Amino acid sequence: QLQLQESGPGLVKPSETLSLTCTVSGGSISSSNYYWGWIRQPPGKGREWIGTIYYSESTYYNPSLKSRVAISVDTSKNQFSLKLSSVTAADTAVYYCARLGCSRGSCYSLQLYYFDYWGQGTLVTVSS
Amino acid sequence: QSVLTQPPSASGTPGQRVTISCSGSSSNIGSNTVNWYQHFPGTAPKLLIYSNNQRPSGVPDRFSGSKSGTSASLAISGLQSEDETDYYCAAWDDSLTGWVFGGGTKLTVL
Repeated sequence: QLQLQESGPGLVKPSETLSLTCTVSGGSISSSNYYWGWIRQPPGKGREWIGTIYYSESTYYNPSLKSRVAISVDTSKNQFSLKLSSVTAADTAVYYCARLGCSRGSCYSLQLYYFDYWGQGTLVTVSS
Repeated sequence: QSVLTQPPSASGTPGQRVTISCSGSSSNIGSNTVNWYQHFPGTAPKLLIYSNNQRPSGVPDRFSGSKSGTSASLAISGLQSEDETDYYCAAWDDSLTGWVFGGGTKLTVL
């Protein structure tokens, strides 16, 4: 059974960089036909896709966050990471990592992928 | 706030059939497939329906999905007390070139 677990500081100061890691167990992050992503949900608000990465390090970011986001993969540790720079209180949220899978015959287009396994999420608060 | 619109709450009695709607636009639901998630707070969200109406293995056939135009629905038949939790829809958005989500619906089993 695939499992994902987010880890990182629960408190980040304004203007600093938020850094989170997602550790994948029960499967390889280098498996073909899977992407890996980050999603967040601010308190009282809806979920927001942050970005997605393939193990070969092709990345896709939400345009609203693109200038501040970097997602990377460490295949040796079976982990992928999120860095969000210049954070403000608006970046306070529960951050989730997730795997993106696809149906057989539909793996030719990223838009046909769906989040099939998630971590339980980690709350990150931006405050001085 | 959310790109996809869901009712904030829904309810039903045990054994009843309930539906949860998810409304979008031509750039998301209108031209892409819809996925549904079940989420018990504090735990990992679970994929319930993918590609509009497909169930992952292990998901009971009490759960079903459908899509028409720019709207989608999740139906739960034979409602059980353990179904009481939050449900979210999601879809790819061609304008965003990324995924968008609904605000979530809290289901109460009366």
